[in-house]
Amino acid sequence: DTEVTQTPKHLVMGMTNKKSLKCEQHMGHRAMYWYKQKAKKPPELMFVYSYEKLSINESVPSRFSPECPNSSLLNLHLHALQPEDSALYLCASSQDRGSTDTQYFGPGTRLTVL
Amino acid sequence: KQEVTQIPAALSVPEGENLVLNCSFTDSAIYNLQWFRQDPGKGLTSLLLIQSSQREQTSGRLNASLDKSSGRSTLYIAASQPGDSATYLCAVRSTSYNTDKLIFGTGTRLQVFP
Repeated sequence: DTEVTQTPKHLVMGMTNKKSLKCEQHMGHRAMYWYKQKAKKPPELMFVYSYEKLSINESVPSRFSPECPNSSLLNLHLHALQPEDSALYLCASSQDRGSTDTQYFGPGTRLTVL
Repeated sequence: KQEVTQIPAALSVPEGENLVLNCSFTDSAIYNLQWFRQDPGKGLTSLLLIQSSQREQTSGRLNASLDKSSGRSTLYIAASQPGDSATYLCAVRSTSYNTDKLIFGTGTRLQVFP
């Protein structure tokens, strides 16, 4: 099983709302990632978790708050977002942070901020 | 700074043609290069991963080559089918940067018509 699942598939929220994106994998991977992808652009790395600890934050605004409750689950908490945050948010996982490890991507959550 | 570019940006071909998609990168110090497929509004599907020590990888009708010294990779698609229509992204893992970070190209949007 090489599946990464993400919920919800679509999310529409106002700028004052608080919402969360969820990502799950059951491949025993110890590294998990959040990417942001704007239309017709390549994905950009936001956060990396390794062994449930945040190891990389690519200077993402604090209105995005990641959380890794356990080795299978990764959340992205959203608060006070701006319309320019509308994008496809992709989760990925890999066996470890090793340079040879393939990253497996989920289907993404399409976020629209009104 | 590692930069990854893909040519052409878009390609439209009739069914049955053999295709070559190009990916170039500016810093040859890489761990590996990965090719992904992305359907509109969907997540990324890993197609092939080539380690820096390898010259090519094959999977079915797909063949990817890597020339690290010249900073180039090609994805060859044999006997293209309408189901191959998607955006194809290459991504490198650079030794000069954090190995978690995949640096993506801008993609080639492929349309195969019957």
